[in-house]
Amino acid sequence: GESVGLHLPTLSVQEGDNSIINCAYSNSASDYFIWYKQESGKGPQFIIDIRSNMDKRQGQRVTVLLNKTVKHLSLQIAATQPGDSAVYFCAEPLWAGSGNTGKLIFGQGTTLQVKP
Amino acid sequence: EAQVTQNPRYLITVTGKKLTVTCSQNMNHEYMSWYRQDPGLGLRQIYYSMNVEVTDKGDVPEGYKVSRKEKRNFPLILESPSPNQTSLYFCASSSDSDIGPQHFGDGTRLSIL
Repeated sequence: GESVGLHLPTLSVQEGDNSIINCAYSNSASDYFIWYKQESGKGPQFIIDIRSNMDKRQGQRVTVLLNKTVKHLSLQIAATQPGDSAVYFCAEPLWAGSGNTGKLIFGQGTTLQVKP
Repeated sequence: EAQVTQNPRYLITVTGKKLTVTCSQNMNHEYMSWYRQDPGLGLRQIYYSMNVEVTDKGDVPEGYKVSRKEKRNFPLILESPSPNQTSLYFCASSSDSDIGPQHFGDGTRLSIL
């Protein structure tokens, strides 16, 4: 079956440094990926997404890279701030023949800790 | 403001006492889903709905019911709650007009004693 996984459960970085959070996926036909941020006591919040026809997409201080050859994507956060401390999930929608099933397959999450 | 609203946010109750967690979205989304989040297990889908009167089981549907009588509402019903349903629950919605991210509520923390 499909699976989405993150490489490290916890990442600790110094404030101001760049952070890189990795994710691997198993389904080579996957065509859309989403990164979510979940702060303590809140629901997952959409950060950025990328479609499979792109290798890179940039947002405000965040960049997602997609390597379809090795089925890997990463989330890069520039100049990491204390407010970036959260759990980060990669996810992909499960598509069936009739279209979007409404189901997301989530990775386990990486906890980003930002040290002042 | 576009949002998914869950109620209650916190609930402590006892085994066997029926409860309902409500979920409402104001984005006119067709798709709605319920997830539970447990330590070490991540987010797991309970039920989802592709449109009004269309619901289907997710990965962990046992012990739960849902209904979708209106587009904006998707309540989660625990007919006879048990302690193993103690968890953090999230409702989410998304549009079917294009591939897009799901929008999540802020969660409901249920404790079943």
